[in-house]
Amino acid sequence: TQLLEQSPQFLSIQEGENLTVYCNSSSVFSSLQWYRQEPGEGPVLLVTVVTGGEVKKLKRLTFQFGDARKDSSLHITAAQPGDTGLYLCAGDPGGTSYGKLTFGQGTILTVHP
Amino acid sequence: DAGVIQSPRHEVTEMGQEVTLRCKPISGHDYLFWYRQTMMRGLELLIYFNNNVPIDDSGMPEDRFSAKMPNASFSTLKIQPSEPRDSAVYFCASSWRVTGELFFGEGSRLTVL
Repeated sequence: TQLLEQSPQFLSIQEGENLTVYCNSSSVFSSLQWYRQEPGEGPVLLVTVVTGGEVKKLKRLTFQFGDARKDSSLHITAAQPGDTGLYLCAGDPGGTSYGKLTFGQGTILTVHP
Repeated sequence: DAGVIQSPRHEVTEMGQEVTLRCKPISGHDYLFWYRQTMMRGLELLIYFNNNVPIDDSGMPEDRFSAKMPNASFSTLKIQPSEPRDSAVYFCASSWRVTGELFFGEGSRLTVL
């Protein structure tokens, strides 16, 4: 089983601070996805990274895929209370590309006003 | 599109009772996944279907769990008999082979007393 380890598990910060969430594995993934989940809802896809070294930006969120395609990071600049939620990384180890994913345990982010 | 629709949203039952969770995937999607989410274990894949055919049920915890997909627009996950350790949020997700993006329903929160 190819595991994805996320860190930190919990993050509590003040509005305006920056933060980085990490997603690491000893295995190579053909692609990695980041999802955000709010209480009482299902996860929603934020981004998919496919190429080693790839960097994608989504407003204040920056996603990076490691050169060796074994790790990824999510950086949020000037966090806002609306960023609060559970952030999940998910990998496609077999290159199937149809959605059979391995999920990390998640990072619970709380942004205080 | 209405998205993935799950029912019921909440279910409270007593140990030993049968539980049936239902899912309507997004029209046109050819993959359907059942996941279970708990604080301890995170998101776990239970079973997935391709074009209504079960492909991998290795994540189904025990014979008490069964899933069916009689047609492209409906799937069920049944637990019989239910046990307190089955308490979790059960998510249904669907995807289209070309993009691999998972679209999750809002989940069914199951509590077994």
